[in-house]
Amino acid sequence: EDQVTQSPEALRLQEGESSSLNCSYTVSGLRGLFWYRQDPGKGPEFLFTLYSAGEEKEKERLKATLTKKESFLHITAPKPEDSATYLCAVLSGSARQLTFGSGTQLTVLP
Amino acid sequence: ETGVTQTPRHLVMGMTNKKSLKCEQHLGHNAMYWYKQSAKKPLELMFVYSLEERVENNSVPSRFSPECPNSSHLFLHLHTLQPEDSALYLCASSQDGQGNIQYFGAGTRLSVL
Repeated sequence: EDQVTQSPEALRLQEGESSSLNCSYTVSGLRGLFWYRQDPGKGPEFLFTLYSAGEEKEKERLKATLTKKESFLHITAPKPEDSATYLCAVLSGSARQLTFGSGTQLTVLP
Repeated sequence: ETGVTQTPRHLVMGMTNKKSLKCEQHLGHNAMYWYKQSAKKPLELMFVYSLEERVENNSVPSRFSPECPNSSHLFLHLHTLQPEDSALYLCASSQDGQGNIQYFGAGTRLSVL
């Protein structure tokens, strides 16, 4: 059974204080790892897909990386508008649907 | 605007009521999904409809009944719900049902009294 664990559950940062969110996974043959952002009262918004270890993708202040066991979402010099819950999901070779983690709730204080 | 529209945004219902949630996608996708999102828990996949098949999570109670009349519309019919069914219900769509990127609606916040 595929498993996804995100840490920390919650993270509070000062504006400009860089940090990383972790997504650890156990799957039988990773086909893709997805990052989503979810604002309060809204549905998840797609950010990145990573397919193989060593792959990296960037979007504004966000950078996602992937190893064989985990993915990191690095946030550089965050701003208050980066406050949201960040969700990680995996697609394995044995499943055709995504398995989600519980998310990391990020708060960036001005 | 994600191209996936859910109505209503909020719903309060009694345990004996019958109601329906609606989802419509304007992305030309061929797969649609219902998820349940409870506080501090991972998204729980309830149902998938695609051109290839319909997939059900066997743990979903029969008081939830999906309907997919075409590739653009998805309904979730609710009857005799329990208070523990209170949650955010999210609809999503993707190009096909093979693990492509899913695009989500804003959700329906359901409260069962």
